[in-house]
Amino acid sequence: KQEVTQIPAALSVPEGENLVLNCSFTDSAIYNLQWFRQDPGKGLTSLLLIQSSQREQTSGRLNASLDKSSGRSTLYIAASQPGDSATYLCAVRLSNTGNQFYFGTGTSLTVIP
Amino acid sequence: DGGITQSPKYLFRKEGQNVTLSCEQNLNHDAMYWYRQDPGQGLRLIYYSQIVNDFQKGDIAEGYSVSREKKESFPLTVTSAQKNPTAFYLCASRKLAGGNTGELFFGEGSRLTVL
Repeated sequence: KQEVTQIPAALSVPEGENLVLNCSFTDSAIYNLQWFRQDPGKGLTSLLLIQSSQREQTSGRLNASLDKSSGRSTLYIAASQPGDSATYLCAVRLSNTGNQFYFGTGTSLTVIP
Repeated sequence: DGGITQSPKYLFRKEGQNVTLSCEQNLNHDAMYWYRQDPGQGLRLIYYSQIVNDFQKGDIAEGYSVSREKKESFPLTVTSAQKNPTAFYLCASRKLAGGNTGELFFGEGSRLTVL
């Protein structure tokens, strides 16, 4: 069974700092990996989707990379802002026909003004 | 604007009562999902549906039921058989054909509290 791990569980950084969030998965035969943001008491907002054939995806200050062979993905946030404070989750899907998404437990990010 | 609407946002239930959580999407997505989120745990799949009038159990389906009578709607009923129903429930959907078929979209969630 696919297991998805996000370490650390919580992270605090000063405003303006660049930071990296980690996502590890045990089965490298993934179809895609998706990063989400969740604000307290809210649903998940999709940030970036990386297909298995891709190495990275970028959206604004966010850059997500994927290394299937090592079972890792990173989410890089440049020039962090207090508004980036949220929980960040990653999820992997194993096949094109699969409906099972495996979620990590998330990293809670606090950006200190 | 297109999106997924969940209602109600907050729901209180007495023990022994069934409750139904609504999920409606206007994204023309084929597949819809229900997840449960508990503190310190990853999202767990309750049920999913790829097509009208068809749905499959997820990892924690016991005590829950669903229907998919319309493509846009996927309501979840939490029955009295669910032993620990207090949780945050999330509905999601995605396309099954065309571009970006992998991307999963979520609603704002419904928080159920059993009194």
